[in-house]
Amino acid sequence: QLQLQESGPGLVTPSETLSLTCIVSGGSISSSGYSWAWIRQPPGKGLEWIGSIYYSGSTYSNPSLKSRVTLPVDTSKNRFSLKLSSVTAADTAVYYCARTGTTDKYYYYMDVWGKGTTVTVSS
Amino acid sequence: QSVLTQPPSASGTPGQRVTISCSGGSSNIGSNTVNWYQQLPGTAPKLLIYSNNQRPSGVPDRFSGSKSGTSASLAISGLQSEDEADYYCAAWDDSLNGYVFGTGTKVTVL
Repeated sequence: QLQLQESGPGLVTPSETLSLTCIVSGGSISSSGYSWAWIRQPPGKGLEWIGSIYYSGSTYSNPSLKSRVTLPVDTSKNRFSLKLSSVTAADTAVYYCARTGTTDKYYYYMDVWGKGTTVTVSS
Repeated sequence: QSVLTQPPSASGTPGQRVTISCSGGSSNIGSNTVNWYQQLPGTAPKLLIYSNNQRPSGVPDRFSGSKSGTSASLAISGLQSEDEADYYCAAWDDSLNGYVFGTGTKVTVL
């Protein structure tokens, strides 16, 4: 059974870089036909897609965050990461990693989610 | 600001049918399939409906989805107390070249 687990610091200083890792177990991150995504949810607000990385290495990011987002993947450790630079208080949120059940944008959906990790941006 | 609009709230008594709408545009719902996610209080979202009207294994058939043009709907029939949650529609947006979520609807069981 595929499981995803987010990890990283719960507190980040403003203007610094937020770094989170998603460890994938019960399946290979290199499997074709899937991509891997990051989604966040500010306190009391809705869901926001941050970006996705495909098994081929291609990445797609939310246009509103694209200039600050990097999505590295480490296939040897079966994990992928999120790096968000120049953070502000507006980046305070619960961050989720997820698998998408397809790479076809027409059918795009997230079928397996991690439990989420809370990140607070504060000095 | 989300490009997919949902009503902020919906409610019903146990056993009733509740419907949630999701309004989008030609670049998202009008061009791609719609998915629905259920988020129970304090938990991660869960895929409820994919490809407009398909239920993942384990999702009760009380939940159904439909799409027409640039709008979609989620129906919950035989409402139960455990259905009290936030519900989000979502789809790929070709203009933004990204995945967009709806504004979310909180369902309350009276």
